[in-house]
Amino acid sequence: GENVEQHPSTLSVQEGDSAVIKCTYSDSASNYFPWYKQELGKRPQLIIDIRSNVGEKKDQRIAVTLNKTAKHFSLHITETQPEDSAVYFCAATSSKLTFGKGITLSVRP
Amino acid sequence: NAGVMQNPRHLVRRRGQEARLRCSPMKGHSHVYWYRQLPEEGLKFMVYLQKENIIDESGMPKERFSAEFPKEGPSILRIQQVVRGDSAAYFCASSTGQLNQPQHFGDGTRLSIL
Repeated sequence: GENVEQHPSTLSVQEGDSAVIKCTYSDSASNYFPWYKQELGKRPQLIIDIRSNVGEKKDQRIAVTLNKTAKHFSLHITETQPEDSAVYFCAATSSKLTFGKGITLSVRP
Repeated sequence: NAGVMQNPRHLVRRRGQEARLRCSPMKGHSHVYWYRQLPEEGLKFMVYLQKENIIDESGMPKERFSAEFPKEGPSILRIQQVVRGDSAAYFCASSTGQLNQPQHFGDGTRLSIL
């Protein structure tokens, strides 16, 4: 089955800096890659997703890039703000959605 | 325009009791997924259901756990004879079921076993 790994497991950045979170996946048949943000005690919320026929997608301060050859995809957050502090999960799907273990992003004011 | 509704939000049970968790999908969604999340861990897939049909239960423990999604009413995740290790947050998500469409999550049920 699919195996999704995220690294690093924690990331701390200064407010205003950029943050990059990377994920790798194992199943070359995976073709849909969503990212979720989960604040403490709350539901995972979809923030952006990308499909395998696209290499990059952007939505305001958030962008996702996909490299199918290398089987990795990344989340880029620019001009980080304290409210970006949360756990971020990447996921990949071929037959079902498989999540990475999450990365805790801390944005220092 | 209600999202995915889960209830109860918090559930406390004593060891050996049964826990029933409910999930109503988002309007227009006919596919439901259940996940378990332990503190500071990721989301572990448990089961994927369509109305009156279990599509994939490969993540469900073989004993004590069952799930259904009847023709009428919410999807139910049932845990019989609960043990302390069942304490977790259980999230439900729903989707249209179409290929590569996103899953949207409910607020979860936090299950605590005394």
